[in-house]
Amino acid sequence: KQEVTQIPAALSVPEGENLVLNCSFTDSAIYNLQWFRQDPGKGLTSLLLIQSSQREQTSGRLNASLDKSSGRSTLYIAASQPGDSATYLCAVPSGSARQLTFGSGTQLTVLP
Amino acid sequence: DTGVSQNPRHKITKRGQNVTFRCDPISEHNRLYWYRQTLGQGPEFLTYFQNEAQLEKSRLLSDRFSAERPKGSFSTLEIQRTEQGDSAMYLCASLSGRVRETQYFGPGTRLLVL
Repeated sequence: KQEVTQIPAALSVPEGENLVLNCSFTDSAIYNLQWFRQDPGKGLTSLLLIQSSQREQTSGRLNASLDKSSGRSTLYIAASQPGDSATYLCAVPSGSARQLTFGSGTQLTVLP
Repeated sequence: DTGVSQNPRHKITKRGQNVTFRCDPISEHNRLYWYRQTLGQGPEFLTYFQNEAQLEKSRLLSDRFSAERPKGSFSTLEIQRTEQGDSAMYLCASLSGRVRETQYFGPGTRLLVL
């Protein structure tokens, strides 16, 4: 059974700092890995999707990496802003329905 | 707006009552998922539809839960005889038939059982 873990559970940084969020998964036979953002009381917004054949994916100030063999992914946020404050979730599809298995998320607070 | 929509956005009910939630997926998406999210946790898979067929159900989906997707369009999730432990955010997501695409999530329905 696939298990996804995210560290740290919470992170507080001053504005402008670069930061790294970590995600690990137990079964390396994945199709892809996705990073989502969730604002309080809201649904999920897809940030980046990395295919299993890719090592990195970039969107603006966000860069996600994937190392299947070690079962790890990182989300790098450059020059953080208060508007980046949210919970960040990573997820991998598993099972016959390719349903997503999520980590518990990292709650990020960027202080102005 | 061509995104996934869910109604109602919030529902407060008393223990023992029945509730029904609706999800309208992106129109060309034939795959639809329901997830449940409790405070401080990531979403957990409940059930999956491909067109109108319910093909997968999680062990989390007790016999008090039922889901339908008539004609492969919108979907409903009903909870009978609600319990306080059912309080959670219920999220719907849809996906086209292509493998390499992300799931698109709706805004969720937040349920509070008193």
